[in-house]
Amino acid sequence: AQTVTQSQPEMSVQEAETVTLSCTYDTSESDYYLFWYKQPPSRQMILVIRQEAYKQQNATENRFSVNFQKAAKSFSLKISDSQLGDAAMYFCAYRGSNYKLTFGKGTLLTVNP
Amino acid sequence: EADIYQTPRYLVIGTGKKITLECSQTMGHDKMYWYQQDPGMELHLIHYSYGVNSTEKGDLSSESTVSRIRTEHFPLTLESARPSHTSQYLCASSEGGSWSGYTFGSGTRLTVV
Repeated sequence: AQTVTQSQPEMSVQEAETVTLSCTYDTSESDYYLFWYKQPPSRQMILVIRQEAYKQQNATENRFSVNFQKAAKSFSLKISDSQLGDAAMYFCAYRGSNYKLTFGKGTLLTVNP
Repeated sequence: EADIYQTPRYLVIGTGKKITLECSQTMGHDKMYWYQQDPGMELHLIHYSYGVNSTEKGDLSSESTVSRIRTEHFPLTLESARPSHTSQYLCASSEGGSWSGYTFGSGTRLTVV
């Protein structure tokens, strides 16, 4: 079974600074998808960024980018120019051949003004 | 705006009552999912469906049941609520083709007293 590990239960960053959230996963599959989701307090879970395993180029979405290291099974999220609205729980997730998403336990990000 | 709707948003109910949590999506997605989110925010898949008349139990054992009679509707039922069922329940859907991830509903926060 696939597992997703987020080793940082909590992180904090100063507004306008850069922060990196870590994620590692374990799988025997060669083709899969990886995701970062954001869940603000009492609000809906939304997709931040996704990465297809067969693509070597790291995905970017505005201030959000990933560092995907397939051999190391590592998938970190970098948030640049952090904003107060970035404060949320961030979940790393894996999807293999069965379409089910396996989530990590989450990292709570605090943004300090 | 969310294309997947969960009702009610909050529910407080007495032990032994039967409840149904509603989930509907307007995107025509064939795959739908129910996750239970514990107080530590960890997400556990409890049910999923890959199409009409198809339902499967997820990775976490649950006393709830689901049905999928229509593509857009995936309700979750608890026949006899107990305090141990107190949790947040998240519904999600996904399409089967080029995979863009799950779309989540806003969740139902259930409290059984």
